[in-house]
Amino acid sequence: EDKVVQSPLSLVVHEGDTVTLNCSYEVTNFRSLLWYKQEKKAPTFLFMLTSSGIEKKSGRLSSILDKKELFSILNITATQTGDSAIYLCASGGGKGYQKVTFGTGTKLQVIP
Amino acid sequence: NAGVTQTPKFQVLKTGQSMTLQCAQDMNHNSMYWYRQDPGMGLRLIYYSASEGTTDKGEVPNGYNVSRLNKREFSLRLESAAPSQTSVYFCACTQGSAKLFFGSGTQLSVL
Repeated sequence: EDKVVQSPLSLVVHEGDTVTLNCSYEVTNFRSLLWYKQEKKAPTFLFMLTSSGIEKKSGRLSSILDKKELFSILNITATQTGDSAIYLCASGGGKGYQKVTFGTGTKLQVIP
Repeated sequence: NAGVTQTPKFQVLKTGQSMTLQCAQDMNHNSMYWYRQDPGMGLRLIYYSASEGTTDKGEVPNGYNVSRLNKREFSLRLESAAPSQTSVYFCACTQGSAKLFFGSGTQLSVL
């Protein structure tokens, strides 16, 4: 059974802190690892990673994939209250290479 | 350009009632998905359709059926609703990758 595991489940930090969110996966026919941000409604896409060691960056957010150890991390530097959200990790692969499996998410709360 | 449209947005059912959640996309994507989201559980895959004419079970298919009516539409049916099916349901689509485009969700309560 395909599995994506995220840690921690929840996190409370102060504005300006740096956070690291973790994601490990066990997925047959693995093709990609993705990060999404979910605030009030549907998840919104952040990053897609397919190759090990290549860091993706977008402003204060960055992510990297390790295909040998089967994990990814999402870093957020200089956190702001607007970063408060659930961060979801997902993996594409599975049967027919089209199955997308999500982790349980990390709920991040940034307090002033 | 609407993207992914889900109807209804809210629904309250009594135990044992049936209903169909509708999803339509105008992005010309091949693959479509139904997820449910419960507090602390992330998104759990109910069914997916890699292409028109095919459907496959996800992690939690029991109690649900799906129909891929055509390339645009993918419906989810609850034949006999149970309180355990109270959840937020998301439809999504994609074209050849795991980068999903989501509908706005359906909040379902089963009493």
